[in-house]
Amino acid sequence: AQTVTQSQPEMSVQEAETVTLSCTYDTSENNYYLFWYKQPPSRQMILVIRQEAYKQQNATENRFSVNFQKAAKSFSLKISDSQLGDTAMYFCAFTISPSNTGKLIFGQGTTLQVKP
Amino acid sequence: DTGVSQDPRHKITKRGQNVTFRCDPISEHNRLYWYRQTLGQGPEFLTYFQNEAQLEKSRLLSDRFSAERPKGSFSTLEIQRTEQGDSAMYLCASSTSQRLGGLNANEQYFGPGTRLTVT
Repeated sequence: AQTVTQSQPEMSVQEAETVTLSCTYDTSENNYYLFWYKQPPSRQMILVIRQEAYKQQNATENRFSVNFQKAAKSFSLKISDSQLGDTAMYFCAFTISPSNTGKLIFGQGTTLQVKP
Repeated sequence: DTGVSQDPRHKITKRGQNVTFRCDPISEHNRLYWYRQTLGQGPEFLTYFQNEAQLEKSRLLSDRFSAERPKGSFSTLEIQRTEQGDSAMYLCASSTSQRLGGLNANEQYFGPGTRLTVT
């Protein structure tokens, strides 16, 4: 069975600083996708960044980047130049190849607070 | 706004009553998902539709739960004889299995959710 583990329930960071959120996963599949989703308080969940397992290059989206270590089954999210609007719950998620159902398996989440 | 809408946003019901939630996905999306999220936890998969066909159901989806997606458009999730343990946020998401314009394949777009409270 596939599982996703986020070991940091809560984190905080000063505005403009950098923070890294951890995620590990377990699967026997070789072709899969990894995601980080952001869920602001009382707002919709939105996709932050995605990584295809077959790509060796780490994905980057503006201030957000990932460190994907396939052998270690690790997928951490780095937020640079943190902004107050980054305050949210962050979920790491996993799905096997899109040719399958595409259902997401989520971690427990990390609540991030950005302090002014 | 992701383009996925859900109705109602909040529902309070008494134990034993039936409730129905609606999800309107992004119109080009052929895939639709229902998830359940309890407080402080990550969403858990409930069921999946490709067009109008329900192709997968989680073991979490007891026989009191039923979902439909007539004509492959909007979807409904019904819970019969609600129990206090059903209290949760019910999230709908949609995606496409094809790359369409700026939309990436298999990228799920979530609705705002329906928060159910069973008293």
